[in-house]
Amino acid sequence: AQSVTQLDSQVPVFEEAPVELRCNYSSSVSVYLFWYVQYPNQGLQLLLKYLSGSTLVKGINGFEAEFNKSQTSFHLRKPSVHISDTAEYFCAVSVRGNKLVFGAGTILRVKS
Amino acid sequence: EAGVAQSPRYKIIEKRQSVAFWCNPISGHATLYWYQQILGQGPKLLIQFQNNGVVDDSQLPKDRFSAERLKGVDSTLKIQPAKLEDSAVYLCASSLKIAGEYNEQFFGPGTRLTVL
Repeated sequence: AQSVTQLDSQVPVFEEAPVELRCNYSSSVSVYLFWYVQYPNQGLQLLLKYLSGSTLVKGINGFEAEFNKSQTSFHLRKPSVHISDTAEYFCAVSVRGNKLVFGAGTILRVKS
Repeated sequence: EAGVAQSPRYKIIEKRQSVAFWCNPISGHATLYWYQQILGQGPKLLIQFQNNGVVDDSQLPKDRFSAERLKGVDSTLKIQPAKLEDSAVYLCASSLKIAGEYNEQFFGPGTRLTVL
């Protein structure tokens, strides 16, 4: 079975500072990896995904993530955050695009 | 293109009552998912349909939860009787089903259930 660990429940950061949200996964088979964002009272929106190929994946809103197979990690980064990036971020895995298994989420709080 | 629609957006009930949630997926999406998101946790898959057939319901508490997708389009999730621990956001998602390809899941806004 697959599992996802998001190492930080909350990450406070000042506007225009860089941020990294950490995600580690566990799986005995190859997986697809995802980051979703959830704004208050809204559903989940896909930020980016890793299916295969280049380990550096670029997504929407200036976010990127790097797949590290040896460390089983898929950390999300943004070089300069905005107030509007305040939201909850979920890392997820799936096997061959089937059932998504989510982490517990990381709340990103951007302060002015 | 219209997104995934869910109703109601909010529901408050007392324990032991019953409740139903409705989901209308994106037109043409064969696969429909129901997730439960408890506060402080990530979404957990309850049930997955492909057309009107169940693909995975291994995490659905079948003694109190039921779901149907009779015509392979919209779906209803029911809880009867509700318990306090059922308080959560219930998310519906849908995707195409193209064999051999990755099919993105699109999520609705969710229904927030509070059980008192």
